[in-house]
Amino acid sequence: SQQGEEDPQALSIQEGENATMNCSYKTSINNLQWYRQNSGRGLVHLILIRSNEREKHSGRLRVTLDTSKKSSSLLITASRAADTASYFCATEEETSGSRLTFGEGTQLTVNP
Amino acid sequence: DAGVTQSPTHLIKTRGQQVTLRCSPKSGHDTVSWYQQALGQGPQFIFQYYEEEERQRGNFPDRFSGHQFPNYSSELNVNALLLGDSALYLCASSPDPRVEKLFFGSGTQLSVL
Repeated sequence: SQQGEEDPQALSIQEGENATMNCSYKTSINNLQWYRQNSGRGLVHLILIRSNEREKHSGRLRVTLDTSKKSSSLLITASRAADTASYFCATEEETSGSRLTFGEGTQLTVNP
Repeated sequence: DAGVTQSPTHLIKTRGQQVTLRCSPKSGHDTVSWYQQALGQGPQFIFQYYEEEERQRGNFPDRFSGHQFPNYSSELNVNALLLGDSALYLCASSPDPRVEKLFFGSGTQLSVL
């Protein structure tokens, strides 16, 4: 079963603009991670935020986590055409551990 | 340093057949997890192997089984294939059973006709 719901399902922007994707989840978590997938192939880990953290940065990425609302957002600043991909949030639930539960993803298209 | 490698990349089978997918983890990693990704969906956890044992299992029937070898490589076996088993099968490795950062292979695209 899917833990998270991602919003929007698809997002199309111009190069240089910022892209924001949102993720909601249902249960208590240890951490939340964001992954990127190009053309239905392997996923690449982008960033991890722990349940006791509220915000984290990595390069052009900014992730926020609101455990009271069970939601997270991923912001990509100054987007590039190469950022075009599907982005998935994934949670490690407190009760399950050792497994990630993925959302259904946001398809981001960055137009040159 | 080779990353996670999976074979084959594509596979076509017919209903009722059996299939074996293979995965070699990233160097230095001893834990392998398998995920199934249907078209347009997020990956779903099948199981995790550590120290040659199935450590955790997702909500998949017994038709899905696996194995981990002493060199940490792993196989995923699916028996009695159904049309609904058509998906991208992803292998992910990590340096320990924690899942704080998974390294994924490029996957095996399985089509069941």
